[in-house]
Amino acid sequence: DIQMTQSPSTLSASVGDRVTITCRASQSISNWLAWYQQKPGKAPKLLIYKASSLESGVPSRFSGSGSGTEFTLTISSLQPDDFATYYCQQYNNYSPWTFGQGTKVEIK
Amino acid sequence: EVQVVESGGGLIQPGGSLRLSCAASGFTVSSNYMSWVRQAPGKGLEWVSVIYSDGTTYYADSLKGRFTISRDKSKNTLYLQMNSLRAEDTAVYHCARGRDGFADWGQGTLVTVAS
Repeated sequence: DIQMTQSPSTLSASVGDRVTITCRASQSISNWLAWYQQKPGKAPKLLIYKASSLESGVPSRFSGSGSGTEFTLTISSLQPDDFATYYCQQYNNYSPWTFGQGTKVEIK
Repeated sequence: EVQVVESGGGLIQPGGSLRLSCAASGFTVSSNYMSWVRQAPGKGLEWVSVIYSDGTTYYADSLKGRFTISRDKSKNTLYLQMNSLRAEDTAVYHCARGRDGFADWGQGTLVTVAS
């Protein structure tokens, strides 16, 4: 399986901060990458697909970039509702899919 | 409105089998990419399996052939047959729809493997 490595595992930040989460793939996945936000007890919510496409209804402060093996999720100005755990997921065609281990964004 | 509802979870002894169901409404299961994703208590998301609209299937390597994904067109339902269950299979199992990321998720069904 393609391994996905997220960093950092935990991130402490304040409201208004710019936040960046990195996801690295063990081999090239082109732009077949999604980002999710998950809050306790809830199903994940899709934020970004195809590495940089914003899912409908997701605030524009969320953005994604990258291709190949290196990807980033950026929150331009952290809001109180954004404290959650974030996951990347690769969905390279004709192979098993995998998630990163998650990044918890905590209040500083 | 798109909706998926999982069922079939419960307490099962190690070595046992269980079949999970995911009933869909608002879309056709067989025309979509459908996946199972699990989350052990306090842990991260783990992708389990996908079935493409053309019927192609893939599984996480860690499952080693114990799980089988399938669908029933007439019932518009996705299934996950789980055999030789182990304690480490204890998790909430979600079904999810999507090819470019999972836009639609169910709330999940809890599977607990314990004696």
